[in-house]
Amino acid sequence: GNSVTQMEGPVTLSEEAFLTINCTYTATGYPSLFWYVQYPGEGLQLLLKATKADDKGSNKGFEATYRKETTSFHLEKGSVQVSDSAVYFCALISSGSARQLTFGSGTQLTVLP
Amino acid sequence: DGGITQSPKYLFRKEGQNVTLSCEQNLNHDAMYWYRQDPGQGLRLIYYSQIVNDFQKGDIAEGYSVSREKKESFPLTVTSAQKNPTAFYLCASKRDVGRETQYFGPGTRLLVL
Repeated sequence: GNSVTQMEGPVTLSEEAFLTINCTYTATGYPSLFWYVQYPGEGLQLLLKATKADDKGSNKGFEATYRKETTSFHLEKGSVQVSDSAVYFCALISSGSARQLTFGSGTQLTVLP
Repeated sequence: DGGITQSPKYLFRKEGQNVTLSCEQNLNHDAMYWYRQDPGQGLRLIYYSQIVNDFQKGDIAEGYSVSREKKESFPLTVTSAQKNPTAFYLCASKRDVGRETQYFGPGTRLLVL
């Protein structure tokens, strides 16, 4: 079956620090990979996605590259801001099980001024 | 604006009472989903529907029921059989059964009195 393993949190960084949140996966078929962000008390927002190997998704300064050889989709940002404080979820959907997303457990990020 | 709306934002349930959470989308999406999120946890799938008048159980369907009489609406009923209903409930939709992006509503927080 499909599974997503995320770096455990919480992660606390100072403003302007470099961020990496690790995400690895196992999947049947050919997955599309996603990062979602959840701000306190809100639903999930799509942050970025990649649909095939070597694709790079990017949005709002965040980036993640679909690495088939290492089955990874790590989230990075060069300089975090206080407003980036949120929970980040890695997720996949595969051609072998395209009906539903498989989520990681989420990583809480806190950015201090 | 196109999107997914959930109501109410907060809902209170008394012991032995059934309550219904609303989810409406105007994105013309075929597939709709209900997830449950507990504090500090990831998302767990309750029910999903790929087409009108059809739905399937997810991982934690016991104590819940759904209907899909219209394409744009997918209400979730939390029945009295659900003994621990306090959680954040998220509705989502996507265009079809392929590897499409899933979009989320703002969520409903259910509390037991």
